[in-house]
Amino acid sequence: DTAVSQTPKYLVTQMGNDKSIKCEQNLGHDTMYWYKQDSKKFLKIMFSYNNKELIINETVPNRFSPKSPDKAHLNLHINSLELGDSAVYFCASSQDESYFGGRGHSTDTQYFGPGTRLTVL
Amino acid sequence: QKEVEQNSGPLSVPEGAIASLNCTYSDRGSQSFFWYRQYSGKSPELIMFIYSNGDKEDGRFTAQLNKASQYVSLLIRDSQPSDSATYLCAVKKVEAGNMLTFGGGTRLMVKP
Repeated sequence: DTAVSQTPKYLVTQMGNDKSIKCEQNLGHDTMYWYKQDSKKFLKIMFSYNNKELIINETVPNRFSPKSPDKAHLNLHINSLELGDSAVYFCASSQDESYFGGRGHSTDTQYFGPGTRLTVL
Repeated sequence: QKEVEQNSGPLSVPEGAIASLNCTYSDRGSQSFFWYRQYSGKSPELIMFIYSNGDKEDGRFTAQLNKASQYVSLLIRDSQPSDSATYLCAVKKVEAGNMLTFGGGTRLMVKP
């Protein structure tokens, strides 16, 4: 009954390979995200995606691409892996924008998956 | 200048004391502010959010927001060893696609 799940939990691969990380949420949320947490524990947004719009953090290389077969899944595909891609990747989900008291403040909670530790050798 | 800044710590407090965690942000367009807790090897989990100036209390936790000073803080009263974790401050702009911008986190150590 895990809310946000990711597979695999660990991924070790060689430079130059292509790999995918899968994410599934059973919360009925409309928006999903991918974050990267580097060795210094800095957590950085990569993508925000719902059925209307994909928003890409401009600093993300185009070797990274999100793929969403349906609303409950957002997979991360990485081409030509590099050493610097080694990190923990977190998937998250939330409801669409919810406006608190009609004043335009977004307070919807993002729920994170357990993370995938990617090691590129 | 980073968009969201936190002192990396570690911040060490004795059990039962008040832990004060601070965060500053650079974008005045930021509208919602979040505190996440992350235990080592685990995923972030939300503790509190705040969007209005002032204080917001939830149990032992109090979030404080001062938009004029672009400052958010988290107070943990009666700190417990189980509170030892990294605390991540995050901000959100509605027009930024609901994406969170995180600070680097402050590591808190509560000593028995």
